[in-house]
This record gives sequence, C-alpha cells and structure tokens, in this order.
Amino acid sequence: GAGVSQTPSNKVTEKGKYVELRCDPISGHTALYWYRQSLGQGPEFLIYFQGTGAADDSGLPNDRFFAVRPEGSVSTLKIQRTERGDSAVYLCASSLSASASSGANVLTFGAGSRLTVL
Amino acid sequence: AQTVTQSQPEMSVQEAETVTLSCTYDTSESDYYLFWYKQPPSRQMILVIRQEAYKQQNATENRFSVNFQKAAKSFSLKISDSQLGDAAMYFCAYRSPNYGQNFVFGPGTRLSVLP
Repeated sequence: GAGVSQTPSNKVTEKGKYVELRCDPISGHTALYWYRQSLGQGPEFLIYFQGTGAADDSGLPNDRFFAVRPEGSVSTLKIQRTERGDSAVYLCASSLSASASSGANVLTFGAGSRLTVL
Repeated sequence: AQTVTQSQPEMSVQEAETVTLSCTYDTSESDYYLFWYKQPPSRQMILVIRQEAYKQQNATENRFSVNFQKAAKSFSLKISDSQLGDAAMYFCAYRSPNYGQNFVFGPGTRLSVLP
C-alpha cells in the first residue's frame, strides 16, 4: 500500500480480554517495528521483524504480549489478559530493510491504534 | 544502551519566528544516525530531518535545519519562519549503525505556534 495502515484506529476493551492489533506495512518493506506510546511520552520499542522472523523482541514487557508476521507482510500484535496499564497508542512502522545504510533505514509510521482497557 | 534526552517538555514560538528544540544522547558508538520526527494530533509520526554522524555538515530540509555537535552529543532542531502547521510533538531519535538495531526515541517536546 501507499502507507502503513493500522487497524483498529481505536479499541476499547475490558480488563482481562484478548486484543489483536493489525499492521499492514508499505509494500516491499521487509522490516516492521512495533512501538508503544503512553500519554505524553516517546515511543517505546516492543519488537521488530525482518521478514517473517522476530529479530528482536526484547521490548515486549511480558509474556502476555506476542506478535506474528507469518507471510512477511502484515503483522498482528496480540495482547492476552489485558490490564489497565496496557492502555496506550500502539504504533507500527516499516522500513525498506533493517540495514543501517542511509537510504534504507528511515521509519515510516502508521497512525497507531489507541487501546483503552477499562 | 543508548538514551535520548529532550530537556524541554514544552516550547512556544510566534508565527514567522525561529525556534530551537534541544536533544542530547548518550552512546559509546562512533557512527550512528539521528532523526527528528514530528507527531501532529493525528498521531502519525512524520520524518522531519535525518543526520548521519559521519557527516560533519549539518542537514537541512527547507525551513528545518539541525545543529549537530558530535563531541557534545547534541542534536538540536531549528525551525525557521514557524508556521501554524508546525505545532506538534517533536521527537528526537537515535539509531545504531548495527544491522537491525531499533530506534531509540526521546520523550518529546510539545511545540505551540502562536498566531
């Protein structure tokens, strides 16, 4: 697609429920990143994929969080047994590759999914 | 681990005037990349400007320019001729040169532009 698409734009759920957030990156971008942004703060790294594999999941806060990218394109962030502290905007970004070379390392972000856990 | 600091939680500027947003970072690496991203109320992060640490020349993009001081580990953003549409959160970000390294973002500066 022309840009990074994230759905849903907003999600309200109850504590303890399961949530899935979807990210559709720019076509051809092999690297995909998930960030979490709490109110008034900068994005906090969660996980990044190079192709289908999670190359770095060191930012996932605990085992309730999981992400997949089975075909190397669309990614889904899954949160089990949601807690009120999970409320945040979840940002997805993609880049041409995970290479640090100048032309390939610019992140393009989606508009985010705002998750509210009641 | 690298850290990025933005010491100005909020800034304001009069329309058509110039404002400078500060950013400092901590790293032991000699080569890296630095970015400024803008986040308007729509939430979508937009790249403003990028700087490679090995380049001594400061990056410029139209009304946006940076003052990169490698020894001081400082990377400030100057916005000239400020416009109402410049009002947003601005985030400074660091990226390691190593393959696959994620971006580290600062806490952000909220910029208001006064008419």
